[in-house]
Amino acid sequence: QKEVEQDPGPLSVPEGAIVSLNCTYSNSAFQYFMWYRQYSRKGPELLMYTYSSGNKEDGRFTAQVDKSSKYISLFIRDSQPSDSATYLCAMSSIYNQGGKLIFGQGTELSVKP
Amino acid sequence: NAGVTQTPKFRVLKTGQSMTLLCAQDMNHEYMYWYRQDPGMGLRLIHYSVGEGTTAKGEVPDGYNVSRLKKQNFLLGLESAAPSQTSVYFCASSYGADLPREQYFGPGTRLTVT
Repeated sequence: QKEVEQDPGPLSVPEGAIVSLNCTYSNSAFQYFMWYRQYSRKGPELLMYTYSSGNKEDGRFTAQVDKSSKYISLFIRDSQPSDSATYLCAMSSIYNQGGKLIFGQGTELSVKP
Repeated sequence: NAGVTQTPKFRVLKTGQSMTLLCAQDMNHEYMYWYRQDPGMGLRLIHYSVGEGTTAKGEVPDGYNVSRLKKQNFLLGLESAAPSQTSVYFCASSYGADLPREQYFGPGTRLTVT
């Protein structure tokens, strides 16, 4: 079993829809939870991160962490065609040597006009 | 600031050939990483470095070697390329051990081994 599981999709939604992207994990030591966005043929870039449990909001994006269920989510409100990308979750703890991040497989999202 | 740059952007190799991928960062980051990305597999760590002159194995190190002779550069070598090494390779860097350890990625190198 992988440490981090993410539904690879692809996920296709109409413009304006609310999108929910999710990851589950098995390592209870993870403390930092990140979401990276990767446009086609580009490198990933950090979208947002949260520490421990709770919510964090940034514009149309909300990240949620439920450590009791080992489950994290990224919500996108009023989705736009420019949100079409692959979204990767990533996790880390102070025990990860070398500052390593553990990535999910990525979910490919397409927002149709 | 160029951030993280990678050369070359594309390469086609024949089985058994060798090559070196170069990663450079201008952010004075301590840590650097090499990943490969394959469909359905996400990002898999090949090797990483926590400082100049140091390297360590990641999740999938076989068939690759690395060197970090200068803080700003991290080289990934393929001594004898195999078709299984066809992939997109990403380099990343981060400040160091302080959490949350955001990693900054380069644009990638698309490698095809025939």
